[in-house]
Amino acid sequence: GENVEQHPSTLSVQEGDSAVIKCTYSDSASNYFPWYKQELGKRPQLIIDIRSNVGEKKDQRIAVTLNKTAKHFSLHITETQPEDSAVYFCAAPIYGQNFVFGPGTRLSVLP
Amino acid sequence: DTAVSQTPKYLVTQMGNDKSIKCEQNLGHDTMYWYKQDSKKFLKIMFSYNNKELIINETVPNRFSPKSPDKAHLNLHINSLELGDSAVYFCASSQGSALGTQYFGPGTRLTVL
Repeated sequence: GENVEQHPSTLSVQEGDSAVIKCTYSDSASNYFPWYKQELGKRPQLIIDIRSNVGEKKDQRIAVTLNKTAKHFSLHITETQPEDSAVYFCAAPIYGQNFVFGPGTRLSVLP
Repeated sequence: DTAVSQTPKYLVTQMGNDKSIKCEQNLGHDTMYWYKQDSKKFLKIMFSYNNKELIINETVPNRFSPKSPDKAHLNLHINSLELGDSAVYFCASSQGSALGTQYFGPGTRLTVL
């Protein structure tokens, strides 16, 4: 069946360092890949997404890179700040219908 | 203005009861969803629905049923609640197909005693 894996499950970085979270998917027809951020006790919110016709997208300190051949995409956060601490979820569509979410990565940014 | 809202925010109930969670979106989206997030934070799709099609995750027990009185609402009914149903339930909506940006509601924390 369709599977979305995410690594690492937890990540601690010092404030100002970079953080990278990697996601792999199995459906080669998938063509849209979002990343969601969920702060403690809050709802998931989209922070960045990428479509399969580009290899990279950047929005200020956040970027997403996509390798369609290898079927993985990564979230990059530079100059991390304490407010970046949250659980991050990747997602990929299954059979063009619904999303499967990755298991999440708990990012802690230490001051 | 609240884009996607859910009520109630918290729901505590006994095993065996029947309960409903309401969801409303004012974004004009035509696809709505229900997700379950368990204690380990896994976020799993339960249903997606637009006015043409209901897609059900095959792992969802038939005690769970979505009901949509109109395009802006997708309520979740749960019959014969079990301890394992305790979780946070999120409603979401998106424009067009199921593959667009999803806007989540604030969540409903269900506790079954």
